[in-house]
Amino acid sequence: DTGVSQDPRHKITKRGQNVTFRCDPISEHNRLYWYRQTLGQGPEFLTYFQNEAQLEKSRLLSDRFSAERPKGSFSTLEIQRTEQGDSAMYLCASSGLGEQYFGPGTRLTVT
Amino acid sequence: KNEVEQSPQNLTAQEGEFITINCSYSVGISALHWLQQHPGGGIVSLFMLSSGKKKHGRLIATINIQEKHSSLHITASHPRDSAVYICAGPLNYGGSQGNLIFGKGTKLSVKP
Repeated sequence: DTGVSQDPRHKITKRGQNVTFRCDPISEHNRLYWYRQTLGQGPEFLTYFQNEAQLEKSRLLSDRFSAERPKGSFSTLEIQRTEQGDSAMYLCASSGLGEQYFGPGTRLTVT
Repeated sequence: KNEVEQSPQNLTAQEGEFITINCSYSVGISALHWLQQHPGGGIVSLFMLSSGKKKHGRLIATINIQEKHSSLHITASHPRDSAVYICAGPLNYGGSQGNLIFGKGTKLSVKP
């Protein structure tokens, strides 16, 4: 296993469009996290899955955001009706019982 | 107010210098992570520790749970150490793992 992967690495979209990001965690990890990082700031927690169950959602995750992990393996994060304020790096991480391993991130630019 | 505070925010050093980055936190965390982020965004986990000290190569991390303080030290710094260093702690949801809360990061630049 080569680690956590994310796709795409970069996404440029126009305001109002929908975007979907994918995260493939390390295969034996049952926990998966989504974080968002804006320029000059540390990452902020968005949501967390244990297997296929979404156990925690930040209030940062407005109703335009939805995340799924249908089979407890890969996860998708969808943003509907994107706004310029959604421009950020979206990071995925996975873990077993120990430390979290991060993917390379998806950088979203909303024009 | 961010519940995980790092200092300094920016740090410039000459190659070979000993570097210390500090992290203080006010929330109840069970362990603390030190992460490294290079330009382009990818984050690499350096350490996770809940007590004492850990060493990996030229990197040393210490933590004092009672004082809610941790430090990351880099010995014999090198330009390739230039990156943003972030400390983060999992909120203690009754277990050893939880969603991380992050400091804002310390941007380190090591000059040759």
